[in-house]
Amino acid sequence: GEDVEQSLFLSVREGDSSVINCTYTDSSSTYLYWYKQEPGAGLQLLTYIFSNMDMKQDQRLTVLLNKKDKHLSLRIADTQTGDSAIYFCAETTNSGYALNFGKGTSLLVTP
Amino acid sequence: DTAVSQTPKYLVTQMGNDKSIKCEQNLGHDTMYWYKQDSKKFLKIMFSYNNKELIINETVPNRFSPKSPDKAHLNLHINSLELGDSAVYFCASTPSTGQGSYTFGSGTRLTVV
Repeated sequence: GEDVEQSLFLSVREGDSSVINCTYTDSSSTYLYWYKQEPGAGLQLLTYIFSNMDMKQDQRLTVLLNKKDKHLSLRIADTQTGDSAIYFCAETTNSGYALNFGKGTSLLVTP
Repeated sequence: DTAVSQTPKYLVTQMGNDKSIKCEQNLGHDTMYWYKQDSKKFLKIMFSYNNKELIINETVPNRFSPKSPDKAHLNLHINSLELGDSAVYFCASTPSTGQGSYTFGSGTRLTVV
């Protein structure tokens, strides 16, 4: 299948904002997801957005969706060292609700 | 209470052995999944069951056989394990609409030696 694209690495200073970008493939995807994975841990659902929305905000997290460009972004305000992890973007597919994942963006937050 | 639980968390076994991974969800979801995460962290769907019925079966060797005794459980049995099967296996579940609350278990790290 086609790839969901994410940049592989992002480094920010503590207290700054982080923006992780994703380009998805399926214009008919109804939900788009952001997951966080810390080292050796499972997948934590951070947030998801329905395709008829442009933006969703949840505390420090802001998701922006541009359906025309098939672009999704996750902004983390006031980034903390505990936010260091891999962040995965995922889209729903037509194949029985399976998720198509990007390869993940490693976020490193430095003091 | 853990929403999607997998056992075991770690599994180390020799090539050629047969092993099973169990998954249970207490969310009342109708659809369950198995995903594989390889050494490069890439996640890919393997199987999906909806109300005990197989709805997705991706290109996975037939040594892998999922079994769903009821809609709260989806187990994965692997025969004749190979080195390339080493990975982290994640179970997940969703409501019958298949979307929205897509919850993953904490994963089973399988190492074949």
